[in-house]
Amino acid sequence: DTEVTQTPKHLVMGMTNKKSLKCEQHMGHRAMYWYKQKAKKPPELMFVYSYEKLSINESVPSRFSPECPNSSLLNLHLHALQPEDSALYLCASSQSKISVRTAGGRPDTQYFGPGTRLTVL
Amino acid sequence: GDSVTQMEGPVTLSEEAFLTINCTYTATGYPSLFWYVQYPGEGLQLLLKATKADDKGSNKGFEATYRKETTSFHLEKGSVQVSDSAVYFCALSETSGTYKYIFGTGTRLKVLA
Repeated sequence: DTEVTQTPKHLVMGMTNKKSLKCEQHMGHRAMYWYKQKAKKPPELMFVYSYEKLSINESVPSRFSPECPNSSLLNLHLHALQPEDSALYLCASSQSKISVRTAGGRPDTQYFGPGTRLTVL
Repeated sequence: GDSVTQMEGPVTLSEEAFLTINCTYTATGYPSLFWYVQYPGEGLQLLLKATKADDKGSNKGFEATYRKETTSFHLEKGSVQVSDSAVYFCALSETSGTYKYIFGTGTRLKVLA
């Protein structure tokens, strides 16, 4: 089973709202990722968690706040978003540990969820 | 840094036609290479992968061979179906130690009945 689930599937929010996106995997993967994908573009990496610790933050604005409560769950808390934040938000997971200090080994495949389509009004 | 160059789309083919989507890469080391497919309104699905030179990845009639000498990983399928209509992304895993993915720009494939 290589399933990553994401909820909700669609989300509409105002600029003053607070909402959260949820991602779950039960493959025993220890690396989890958030991506943002705009229409007709490839996914852009936002955050990487490795062993429940934030490993990579791609200079994402603080209105996006990730959280990894355990090895199976990844949340993305949203607050005071802008209309330009409207996009498809994808979660992914993989087996390998992500480390900027490690240059050896083979990275494992990232498995993606179906995404949450976010619209900010 | 590492990069992926993918052919521009859209690609429009008739059913049962032969498909090639070109993908070339630049990398300082030996990355793993991937093809992902994204159907309308959905997330990315792994289509196939290759982790070392001369490896051939295959799945659902699609194939791609890791060619180190030409730094390429072209996607091919002998006979496309309408259901193959989607966006195809070539990607590599960065060799700098972070294992981040570098994606190509994506190629939209439209198959006509």
